[in-house]
Amino acid sequence: EDQVTQSPEALRLQEGESSSLNCSYTVSGLRGLFWYRQDPGKGPEFLFTLYSAGEEKEKERLKATLTKKESFLHITAPKPEDSATYLCAVRLYNFNKFYFGSGTKLNVKP
Amino acid sequence: EAGVAQSPRYKIIEKRQSVAFWCNPISGHATLYWYQQILGQGPKLLIQFQNNGVVDDSQLPKDRFSAERLKGVDSTLKIQPAKLEDSAVYLCASSLGPETRGTDTQYFGPGTRLTVL
Repeated sequence: EDQVTQSPEALRLQEGESSSLNCSYTVSGLRGLFWYRQDPGKGPEFLFTLYSAGEEKEKERLKATLTKKESFLHITAPKPEDSATYLCAVRLYNFNKFYFGSGTKLNVKP
Repeated sequence: EAGVAQSPRYKIIEKRQSVAFWCNPISGHATLYWYQQILGQGPKLLIQFQNNGVVDDSQLPKDRFSAERLKGVDSTLKIQPAKLEDSAVYLCASSLGPETRGTDTQYFGPGTRLTVL
């Protein structure tokens, strides 16, 4: 059964305290892995797409990496405005099916 | 560039009533998606359209949910009759297409928050 699991469910950091969010997947035929940010009351906002193991993408304080089993979203020196829920999702070759994980709620304290 | 538009933003109904949501995707986007997001969970894909044809509706509860995309642009999602467990945010997203790297990025609308009493 295709499965996407994110950990931890919630993460509290002090401003400037770097950390990583994990997205592990057990799927048949990964076409791509996506990271989104979601603020309360809003739709998810696209961050990155990763297609191949070993691929890395960076944007400001965020860096996403991909292996054959999992993806990490590294947050370097976070600021309070980075507080949000971070969602990962996978697209499969099988009928282009798309599955989201349940998200990691990040809270960055000043 | 205008984003994905959804209406209404909020809806409160009694159980067993009907409700409809509307979505206007980004201009030129061939693929349109409807998701259900229950509080504290990730979005669940209900249905995916490519132009006005259905690509995947395997997670759509077809006994009460229906969706259509006329002329390959706007789409409506309907629930009839609604149940208490349908209380959720309904998100619409669009992409240029699902097949090619770079065109498969989904852009989301603000969602419709449905409360069923």
